[in-house]
Amino acid sequence: AQTVTQSQPEMSVQEAETVTLSCTYDTSESDYYLFWYKQPPSRQMILVIRQEAYKQQNATENRFSVNFQKAAKSFSLKISDSQLGDAAMYFCAYRSAYSGGGADGLTFGKGTHLIIQP
Amino acid sequence: DAGVIQSPRHEVTEMGQEVTLRCKPISGHNSLFWYRQTMMRGLELLIYFNNNVPIDDSGMPEDRFSAKMPNASFSTLKIQPSEPRDSAVYFCASKVGLTQGIQETQYFGPGTRLLVL
Repeated sequence: AQTVTQSQPEMSVQEAETVTLSCTYDTSESDYYLFWYKQPPSRQMILVIRQEAYKQQNATENRFSVNFQKAAKSFSLKISDSQLGDAAMYFCAYRSAYSGGGADGLTFGKGTHLIIQP
Repeated sequence: DAGVIQSPRHEVTEMGQEVTLRCKPISGHNSLFWYRQTMMRGLELLIYFNNNVPIDDSGMPEDRFSAKMPNASFSTLKIQPSEPRDSAVYFCASKVGLTQGIQETQYFGPGTRLLVL
């Protein structure tokens, strides 16, 4: 079974600064998908960014980018120019590229609580 | 386009009562997932459906939990009888189907916060 580990329960960053959230995963599969979801106090799960494992290029979405290191099984999220609205729980998630069984569901890390200091 | 709709948003009930949570997936999405979020266990997959058929229910904690998807636009998660340890936020998510690529993104509903006293 796959596992996802987020080693930082909480991170704090000054507004307008850059912060990096860490995520590592364990899998024996070669093809999979990785996601970062944001959960603000409203508890809505919002997709931030997505990465396909077969793509070497790191995904970017405006101020959000990832550093995907497949060999190291690492998938960190970088938030540039942090804004107050970025304050939330951030979850890293893994999904196998193979269908069937429980493979289609997402496996989540425990989350990182991001605090933005004004 | 409307997102995933869940109801109720909040539910407070007493131990032993039946609880039914409802979900309407995004139109055109063929896969539907139920997740549970607790402080202790984080986000866990309970069950998912593809084309209204349950594919994997290995995450359902016990026989008190059951889920149905009678049609493409509606699913229920039922707990009978409910217990205090069932208190959690229950999320429904949907995606286009069991295909790969960009369709891999699951879109989540707002969740139902359940409190069993």
